[in-house]
Order: sequence, then C-alpha cells, then structure tokens
Amino acid sequence: AQRVTQPEKLLSVFKGAPVELKCNYSYSGSPELFWYVQYSRQRLQLLLRHISRESIKGFTADLNKGETSFHLKKPFAQEEDSAMYYCARNSGYSTLTFGKGTMLLVSP
Amino acid sequence: DVKVTQSSRYLVKRTGEKVFLECVQDMDHENMFWYRQDPGLGLRLIYFSYDVKMKEKGDIPEGYSVSREKKERFSLILESASTNQTSMYLCASRGLGSFDEQFFGPGTRLTVL
Repeated sequence: AQRVTQPEKLLSVFKGAPVELKCNYSYSGSPELFWYVQYSRQRLQLLLRHISRESIKGFTADLNKGETSFHLKKPFAQEEDSAMYYCARNSGYSTLTFGKGTMLLVSP
Repeated sequence: DVKVTQSSRYLVKRTGEKVFLECVQDMDHENMFWYRQDPGLGLRLIYFSYDVKMKEKGDIPEGYSVSREKKERFSLILESASTNQTSMYLCASRGLGSFDEQFFGPGTRLTVL
C-alpha cells in the first residue's frame, strides 16, 4: 500500500522565520505528489502539485526521489500561513493517499 | 462558485439510527470520495466511486455503505450509527487526470450520542 508520512503533528514558528514541513512517501517509481491546505473554518484545498514546479503563496516543494521526500518550504512565514497542511500522493483509481497532516502555527 | 456541497454542516444522531450524508458536485467529475477526518489520524478514505452505480471500498469501509445513482450525487450511509463514528466527514470529487485537483466539500460534523 502507498504510504505518506508527515513526521510532525505540530510546527510552531515565529513570523518571518523559514518553514519546512516534511513529507516522505513510500517508493514506487514515479510518484504524483501534492500538498493540500486547510485554513481555519475553510474547506481543504489544493496548494500545489509537484508537476507544476511553481510557487504558491510563497511556498515551494521539491520532489527528491533519492530521499523519497516532498518537503514544503517557505523562506519567511506569515501569520496567515497558519493552517493544517496535508501531503498526498496518487494511489490508483484516481484516489489520493494523505498523510496525517501537520498543523503550522505562525506566531507574531 | 461552490463546486462540492454537502447536505449538512452539523448533524447529531443517536446510536443505532440510520444516517444519510449527501454530497453533490457540479463539475461533471467521474470520481467521488468520502473521507473521515479525525485529529491525529488525518484523512482516511471510506469509499469512492469512479462512475454511476460503481463503488469501491477505501481503507475504512466497515459500518458504512454508499450510493451513487446519479453522476453528480454521492451518498454515504451509516446503517446503524455508533459513537465511534462521531467525526468530520468530507466529500470530494476529482476528474480523471493524474494531476487533476481534488475538490472538497465543507464537511459534515457528525456527533453520535
């Protein structure tokens, strides 16, 4: 079975500090990976996908096949980045397997 | 521009009751999904459907069933609700492409007393 591991349940940083949310996946050739985000009282939504190689809201994520990782990074955290972040990968039948999530808290 | 809607935001039921959670999407997506979201456990897939009248079990199907009679509607049924089914239930839909975005509904917070 495909697995996605997010080792941190909670990450707390100060505004302006760099942020890295970790994600590791079980190996299987060419994975298709995503980051989803859920802000307080909002629905879960796509943040970015690895194929796009784009920066969304200042966040980037690089696929490292050697380390089977897809960590989410932002150089300078903002208070509005506080949210729950889920890493996910395709698992067949168009389903996604999600990690358990990391809560990011950015303090002023 | 709401794309995935769920019939209730909050629902309180009693143990043993039959519970229906409804989900509708307006994007003509083939794939629809039901998850439950619990603190510390993330999102766990209950059932999914890739076409009308087709369904597949996810990771935690026990105690649940689903129905998909129309493409836009996917229902989750708790045949006999139990307290351990108290949770946030999320519906989602997705197209066929590997990198298609999965769109989520707002969630239904179900409490079983």
